[in-house]
Amino acid sequence: GNSVTQMEGPVTLSEEAFLTINCTYTATGYPSLFWYVQYPGEGLQLLLKATKADDKGSNKGFEATYRKETTSFHLEKGSVQVSDSAVYFCALSVNTNAGKSTFGDGTTLTVKP
Amino acid sequence: DAGVTQSPTHLIKTRGQQVTLRCSPISGHKSVSWYQQVLGQGPQFIFQYYEKEERGRGNFPDRFSARQFPNYSSELNVNALLLGDSALYLCASSEGTNSGNTIYFGEGSWLTVV
Repeated sequence: GNSVTQMEGPVTLSEEAFLTINCTYTATGYPSLFWYVQYPGEGLQLLLKATKADDKGSNKGFEATYRKETTSFHLEKGSVQVSDSAVYFCALSVNTNAGKSTFGDGTTLTVKP
Repeated sequence: DAGVTQSPTHLIKTRGQQVTLRCSPISGHKSVSWYQQVLGQGPQFIFQYYEKEERGRGNFPDRFSARQFPNYSSELNVNALLLGDSALYLCASSEGTNSGNTIYFGEGSWLTVV
């Protein structure tokens, strides 16, 4: 079956530090890959996505590249801010159906000033 | 424009009871999905409906059922509640089922079974 594995958290960084959150996946077929973010007190929202190998998704300074050879989709940001503190979820969907997604368990990021 | 709205936001039920959760998608969205999120875990897919037809079902028992109405709103029903059904239930909507469609989540319904 399909599965997503995220690096265990929580992750605590100082403001302006470099962020990497690892995500690897197992899927049948060719999945689309997503990162979602859940800010405190808010619902899940799509952060970025990539639908085919070597695609790079980017948004709000975050980036992730779809690496088929390593089945990975690591999230990176060059300089985090306190406002980036949230829970980040990696997810995949197959059969081009984003509504039916498989999620990782989430990584909690805390950024300290 | 209103986002995905869910009701109720919080509820407490007793083991063995039944519960109905409701979801209104974003206007114009025809696809609705339901997810269960247990504390400390990622959301798990339960159902997807598109144009009032079931398009997918996750690995959940038959106690879980759902439907979509002509106005594309949806209900999730859970019968014979167990303690393990305590979770955040999320509804998500999108215009269609293509992976190019962004899915939008509601803030969820917190269900506690005692």
